[in-house]
Order: sequence, then C-alpha cells, then structure tokens
Amino acid sequence: GAGVSQSPRYKVAKRGQDVALRCDPISGHVSLFWYQQALGQGPEFLTYFQNEAQLDKSGLPSDRFFAERPEGSVSTLKIQRTQQEDSAVYLCASGFLGASTDTQYFGPGTRLTVL
Amino acid sequence: DAKTTQPPSMDCAEGRAANLPCNHSTISGNEYVYWYRQIHSQGPQYIIHGLKNNETNEMASLIITEDRKSSTLILPHATLRDTAVYYCIVRVALGYQKVTFGIGTKLQVIP
Repeated sequence: GAGVSQSPRYKVAKRGQDVALRCDPISGHVSLFWYQQALGQGPEFLTYFQNEAQLDKSGLPSDRFFAERPEGSVSTLKIQRTQQEDSAVYLCASGFLGASTDTQYFGPGTRLTVL
Repeated sequence: DAKTTQPPSMDCAEGRAANLPCNHSTISGNEYVYWYRQIHSQGPQYIIHGLKNNETNEMASLIITEDRKSSTLILPHATLRDTAVYYCIVRVALGYQKVTFGIGTKLQVIP
C-alpha cells in the first residue's frame, strides 16, 4: 500500500525566501508528526497533529516555522524568511492513534538547502 | 534530552549476529522500548518494540533486562542491507508522547 509521501524531495532556497513542504500521510492515520534532522543527528521533534488539531508545537524553533493540517489529512510545513541554519532534512510521520503498536510511519523526507 | 544512551558506532561481520545495546535507566513503568532504523537517505523505519518480555519478529529480536534499565536489539544474521543508524527510544505505547531520538548507533556491516 501507499506509504507516507513528501514533496518536494529536494528544495534549494535563497536566504530570505519562504518555502512550503508537503506531507501526504497514510490514509486514515490520525496522528501526524514533523521532525527536523540536521546532518549527522537524529530527528528532532517539531510539531504534532491529531486530525486537524495541532496539539503540540513546542519543537518549532522560531515563529518563522508554521505548520497546518486543515482537513486532517495533508499537512504543510511552512518556513518564512529561510536562514542557513534551517538547512536540514524535514521528516513527516503518521500513525494510528490507539492502535496496539501505535508506531510512526515515516516519509522519505524533504532535504532543504538554504544558500 | 534523550532518555536513552547508545554507542555511536559499531561494526559487524556479514552473516554474524549484530547486538546493539541501549541504556534507558530512567524508563517509567508504562513506557515501552521502541527500535527504529534509518538507512541512508530514507526516513526511519520501525523495527520492534517491547515492554518487559523479550520480543521477536521477522526483522529482529529485542531482549529487555529484568530491571528494564537496558535492552539489546539483535539482528541474527546481519547483511549489508542492515547498514544503517539504529535508534532506541522509550515512549508510552498508546496516545501521544513527544519522542526524542538521540543520535543512535551507526551500524556498519562489513563484507
């Protein structure tokens, strides 16, 4: 079956540009997570959605980062006025809520490079 | 801060068992041990999880000590395709909990 997909896979932005990263979770998954992964590091939590509700955004590094999931399925992570330190892989994960394993299924990520 | 500690890297000969340790001395009674792996340029992939009993699936075995303060992920016959970063995390099994991945263990399987 279809897994989590993310687009674009690669994005190059000039410093100061706005970017939007898309996540298509597995159909029916209630939970959706965004992570930021710097080179050589593990994924760092950014934000969590349960359906359309953003229940935890404590990991967003600044007010330049904004995430939404308006209809409880597709999610978009937006970064305004990108900076070089925003260069990273952005991972999306989705999962059932309340399932016995409640594992997270990850997408391939979007590699963002800010020049 | 990560709730787990893992060695940063390990080597394993192809065909041999790979034993990846993880310390989680502050684990709570309702927290499970989960293992994920991340192959280069891919998103993390779920491997296995357990509470206190040893677990086995088609990918690996998980051995959890009786005091639950540490665990070992075992890949019984490592192949070159098992070269990846392996993450050990602790979290509640049901419901939402923010997860901290740490830096994991880079496993290199050597021909």
